[in-house]
Amino acid sequence: DTGVSQDPRHKITKRGQNVTFRCDPISEHNRLYWYRQTLGQGPEFLTYFQNEAQLEKSRLLSDRFSAERPKGSFSTLEIQRTEQGDSAMYLCASSLLAYRGGWSEQFFGPGTRLTVL
Amino acid sequence: TQLLEQSPQFLSIQEGENLTVYCNSSSVFSSLQWYRQEPGEGPVLLVTVVTGGEVKKLKRLTFQFGDARKDSSLHITAAQTGDTGLYLCAGSGLYNQGGKLIFGQGTELSVKP
Repeated sequence: DTGVSQDPRHKITKRGQNVTFRCDPISEHNRLYWYRQTLGQGPEFLTYFQNEAQLEKSRLLSDRFSAERPKGSFSTLEIQRTEQGDSAMYLCASSLLAYRGGWSEQFFGPGTRLTVL
Repeated sequence: TQLLEQSPQFLSIQEGENLTVYCNSSSVFSSLQWYRQEPGEGPVLLVTVVTGGEVKKLKRLTFQFGDARKDSSLHITAAQTGDTGLYLCAGSGLYNQGGKLIFGQGTELSVKP
């Protein structure tokens, strides 16, 4: 069983360019989450999916950010017109929610480190 | 807004010493998870506590969930250099089980030989 994988691990881009990150969750997991982490801070929630439905988006997620999970498996996070303030580690996590109202554990991928020059 | 405050933010100790990290909130959480993160990597799940007053042990690590489910602590006995890392607590909201996690800002632990 492989864990959560993310691609690329590192991305350096120039301000104004678009970038896209991919996340492959643990295969049987139905929930997928995106978080952002800056240096010295804990991760901050961005958005999450149950299967292909996007259930919640943070106010941190500006119009330049979009996330998809088209077939309920892998997910992509796109940032358009990147800004230097977007530089951060972007983390993906997945979980299996067994039943409505239950709790689940989130397992994280290795992250994608974005540097905007 | 639910917040989790971790203390201390930084901790530097000698190998063999004991330490405790605290995670506090004014909000009730349905569950609380502890993670350890190495530089440049994602957080790795250590434990999940769900029931108020619950105590879980993982070798030299002891995790406790407060009776009111508003706070938690992590105690490490006889710390080793391999325990060095960033320790994060994260809570799941009372009415949002299985949804987003609220993270504390982390405790950076350095264990010196």
